[in-house]
Amino acid sequence: EAGVAQSPRYKIIEKRQSVAFWCNPISGHATLYWYQQILGQGPKLLIQFQNNGVVDDSQLPKDRFSAERLKGVDSTLKIQPAKLEDSAVYLCASTPGGRGGLSTDTQYFGPGTRLTVL
Amino acid sequence: AQRVTQPEKLLSVFKGAPVELKCNYSYSGSPELFWYVQYSRQRLQLLLRHISRESIKGFTADLNKGETSFHLKKPFAQEEDSAMYYCALRDAGNMLTFGGGTRLMVKP
Repeated sequence: EAGVAQSPRYKIIEKRQSVAFWCNPISGHATLYWYQQILGQGPKLLIQFQNNGVVDDSQLPKDRFSAERLKGVDSTLKIQPAKLEDSAVYLCASTPGGRGGLSTDTQYFGPGTRLTVL
Repeated sequence: AQRVTQPEKLLSVFKGAPVELKCNYSYSGSPELFWYVQYSRQRLQLLLRHISRESIKGFTADLNKGETSFHLKKPFAQEEDSAMYYCALRDAGNMLTFGGGTRLMVKP
């Protein structure tokens, strides 16, 4: 079974530029998550999708961050414009179930995209 | 809001020594706790969960609701255990809150 795929793996941009990250979850997984992991910290959830709908985006800085999962499969996360403090690893994860998913659902993580904002 | 605290950023032990990685949490509901591990150059992966009450790679963790803790233990550390370990709490909406992580270094 192929794992969660993310691209690009690394991205360097200057502040005020825009950037987009892509995630392809494990086939058939209904729920998709985006996390931000700042150096020295644990992952922090940004947004959760179930199929093509947003379940929770309470921690997403909506003035500059946006995410979509139009067809309920792949997802993109965009930052526009980027700030220095956005430098982090952006992780995508997926689980098989929906919002009321099984308590045994495991989140499977992608390799992450490391963003450096100069 | 829930919170997960891992008080040690770094834990260094010699091979064969016992290991305990601490995790404390705060949550108003019934908690579901996990330990995730990230080995060098690998992706974050689940190590174990409290509801399974299993031992994985010699690691165990017991949920102590009275002390709101979920410490990870192994009686004899191996060099291949060196990694970043994250404690996480899942809420009713299936969302994970992670602790800050502990880097375990096992010296030969």
